[in-house]
Amino acid sequence: QVQLQESGPGLVEPSQTLSLNCTVSGASIISGGHYWNWIRQHPGKGLEWIGSIYHSGSTSYNPSLKSRVVISVDVSKNQFSLKLNSLSAADTAVYFCARNYGDFGFDRWGQGSLVTVSS
Amino acid sequence: DIQMTQSPSSLSASVGDRVTIACRASQSVGRFLNWYQQKPGKAPKLLIYTVSSLESGVPSRFSGSGSGTDFTLTISSLQPEDFATYWCQQSSTSPRTFGQGTKVDVK
Repeated sequence: QVQLQESGPGLVEPSQTLSLNCTVSGASIISGGHYWNWIRQHPGKGLEWIGSIYHSGSTSYNPSLKSRVVISVDVSKNQFSLKLNSLSAADTAVYFCARNYGDFGFDRWGQGSLVTVSS
Repeated sequence: DIQMTQSPSSLSASVGDRVTIACRASQSVGRFLNWYQQKPGKAPKLLIYTVSSLESGVPSRFSGSGSGTDFTLTISSLQPEDFATYWCQQSSTSPRTFGQGTKVDVK
């Protein structure tokens, strides 16, 4: 049973950088041709795709966030990560990691990590 | 970006009702249209992928149809556990985009 688990700080100060990890268990991050994604949901709002990474390190980002985002992968830890810089209150959201295969839907999700940007 | 528009934004229904949710894309997404169910405090759950393929373990009362720009999610007989928010999402092009959601609550 593939499981994803986000980890990281729940509170980050404005202008700082958010760092979140997603640990994958039950499957290797390099097998199966899957893409590994970050998606966020502002409180009470819709879902916004942040970006994705393949185990080779190839990335794709949402243009709306591209200038502030870096997604990386650590195959030795079976983990991928999100860094989002220059934070503001508008980045307060629940951050999910999720898996997809090719052009299909996101079939496995982490439980979500609430990140609040506040001083 | 491809804009996804769901209708209605919310609906009230009773157990046993047939429920239909529409999703329209601002340009063709072919058959790369997926549906999710989300309950409060939980991650979305994939219900249907590529328009009409049922994800493993999802009850057969859920079905999807459509192509190009217009799609529909149907719940044939609403069950108590189906009260939730439903999202459509296109996986045709990057960036992946979602509809604004449809909340199904108790009538």
